[in-house]
Amino acid sequence: QVQLVQSGAEVKQPGASVKVSCKASGYSFNNYEINWVRQAPGQGLEWVGWMKTNSNNQGSAQKFQGRVAMTRDTSTNTVYMELSSLRSEDTAVYYCARGWVVVDALDIWGQGTMVTVSS
Amino acid sequence: DIQMTQSPSSLSAFLGDRVTITCRASRDISNYLNWYQQQPGKAPKLLIYGASSLQSGVPSRFSGSGSGTDFTLTIRSLQPEDFATYYCQQTFGTPRTFGQGTKVDIK
Repeated sequence: QVQLVQSGAEVKQPGASVKVSCKASGYSFNNYEINWVRQAPGQGLEWVGWMKTNSNNQGSAQKFQGRVAMTRDTSTNTVYMELSSLRSEDTAVYYCARGWVVVDALDIWGQGTMVTVSS
Repeated sequence: DIQMTQSPSSLSAFLGDRVTITCRASRDISNYLNWYQQQPGKAPKLLIYGASSLQSGVPSRFSGSGSGTDFTLTIRSLQPEDFATYYCQQTFGTPRTFGQGTKVDIK
């Protein structure tokens, strides 16, 4: 079935980097975008960025620019999001979601990856 | 950035009630508006895309309407599985901002 499976929980110190993976299966990987959305504990959803899986085109919210990088491995249908210079405010569940380009909506979501930033 | 404001932030309702949640954009976003449902501890689920199109597999008691700056999500007859938090999201501009969410719980 169509699914996105994310890597496991991470605990990082302030100033470190984290790399979260999102493995797609059950559909044509190159025909959809992957978006990243995060949710701090008890808070709402915050859009982080997106990338096209058939190229290196990507974009992110201005608050993350310079700190976030998205890459892809087409041999394993996996997208990676790396967030650097972590601070406590980055503690959140990070979701990847498939971008259904035709209607511009996020139709399939990963299970989420908890990233905790703590000294 | 386009700001999305939902109202109310929370509401209590009985099973079988009709529930309406509104979402207002800070500028015209045409119909580039999606609605998601999130159960506690789970990933969000797409309900409505393009302001009014029902995602496949979503019950017909859910409907969306609006265009421009004002949008509405309606649940016709509230069922036990509908108690959740609902988010709107605009995809007209980047960043693709979400509303702050509306929590629907049992009265």
